[in-house]
Amino acid sequence: ETGVTQTPRHLVMGMTNKKSLKCEQHLGHNAMYWYKQSAKKPLELMFVYSLEERVENNSVPSRFSPECPNSSHLFLHLHTLQPEDSALYLCASSQATEYTDTQYFGPGTRLTVL
Amino acid sequence: AQKITQTQPGMFVQEKEAVTLDCTYDTSDPSYGLFWYKQPSSGEMIFLIYQGSYDQQNATEGRYSLNFQKARKSANLVISASQLGDSAMYFCAMREGASGNTPLVFGKGTRLSVIA
Repeated sequence: ETGVTQTPRHLVMGMTNKKSLKCEQHLGHNAMYWYKQSAKKPLELMFVYSLEERVENNSVPSRFSPECPNSSHLFLHLHTLQPEDSALYLCASSQATEYTDTQYFGPGTRLTVL
Repeated sequence: AQKITQTQPGMFVQEKEAVTLDCTYDTSDPSYGLFWYKQPSSGEMIFLIYQGSYDQQNATEGRYSLNFQKARKSANLVISASQLGDSAMYFCAMREGASGNTPLVFGKGTRLSVIA
């Protein structure tokens, strides 16, 4: 398997549920990202992990909890979400070189909170 | 102020014609990178092309080229010989600072529709 994969592709959950989104990259990159894409809004950065350490938390509510157990895997744990959290959640990875640090994205998880 | 501005919410182009998607950016950092991504209806963000702020020549990747006008702070994407499969959302994005696994700032996107 190549590139960046995300599971599940679709998720419907109630506000009291606990679920997790999974991202896996097969590119040998050392940084991983979570972005949120809501309808009619630009992509918003949520979290950045570089060398398995969180380097940025973009004022994300605590009901979203990231986890990066190793450089290939990234999780987003969800609990007590709100309907406005319904969105496409995209994972990306990158490996910075002197020239560029292009991010490669997974297919996303489309989340619906009822 | 918006960091990335894409003024065209939607564009139509005839198959086999060329199309230009506009992008202007705002930064005071002399070092930055500009990216274009394609997002089909399936949702995946597909990397198309990259331009570094110090690059002297415009980037090209197959049918994609980036018209980089530094003084105007514009980085328009040109797609030549449009195909039906090019119909998608297109996002311009910027990394401020030197390359270093830095988060991207995205524009609102342009929806391109290719007509047969």
